[in-house]
Amino acid sequence: KAGVTQTPRYLIKTRGQQVTLSCSPISGHRSVSWYQQTPGQGLQFLFEYFSETQRNKGNFPGRFSGRQFSNSRSEMNVSTLELGDSALYLCASIQAPGTDTQYFGPGTRLTVL
Amino acid sequence: DAKTTQPPSMDCAEGRAANLPCNHSTISGNEYVYWYRQIHSQGPQYIIHGLKNNETNEMASLIITEDRKSSTLILPHATLRDTAVYYCIVRSNAGNMLTFGGGTRLMVKP
Repeated sequence: KAGVTQTPRYLIKTRGQQVTLSCSPISGHRSVSWYQQTPGQGLQFLFEYFSETQRNKGNFPGRFSGRQFSNSRSEMNVSTLELGDSALYLCASIQAPGTDTQYFGPGTRLTVL
Repeated sequence: DAKTTQPPSMDCAEGRAANLPCNHSTISGNEYVYWYRQIHSQGPQYIIHGLKNNETNEMASLIITEDRKSSTLILPHATLRDTAVYYCIVRSNAGNMLTFGGGTRLMVKP
């Protein structure tokens, strides 16, 4: 079974731009969570989706948003990029909320210049 | 979810067992202990999890104390490829959010 895939793997943007990251969960998994990892703050939860609905949201500004499609694929969007948004963005998939184990993708490395 | 405490770093000789401790003294009855590891700049890799019984899989063993306030991850024969940051996480199965602490940076040395 293929693992979690994230695209693109690397991205360079400038301040003020917006960016969209994509995550395809493991086949059969219907829930996706997003995390941000920075050297200063570590791994922090962004949001969680199940059946196209956001179930939980972390403590991030409204510039961070996401959505999930009917095929369980998910996207996250960051608008008006700031230097501090430079991070590794990780997606994790799980079969359904509260079940089993989350499996992480390789991440998207975003650099904001 | 309960907070966990781990030593920031540990060394282990190649071929020896690596024992990584985790304290989770405020764990609740329905909370599981999960272990993940992250090799530099890659996504976290699931290792093992347990509720109250000891668990073993092809990667590691998890020993949970009887009062469930602490646990130990054991890598029985550490290799250089086990060098990574190991995260101990406590979460209930009611939600998906994982709260990562600082983890333990394990350095396996030849």
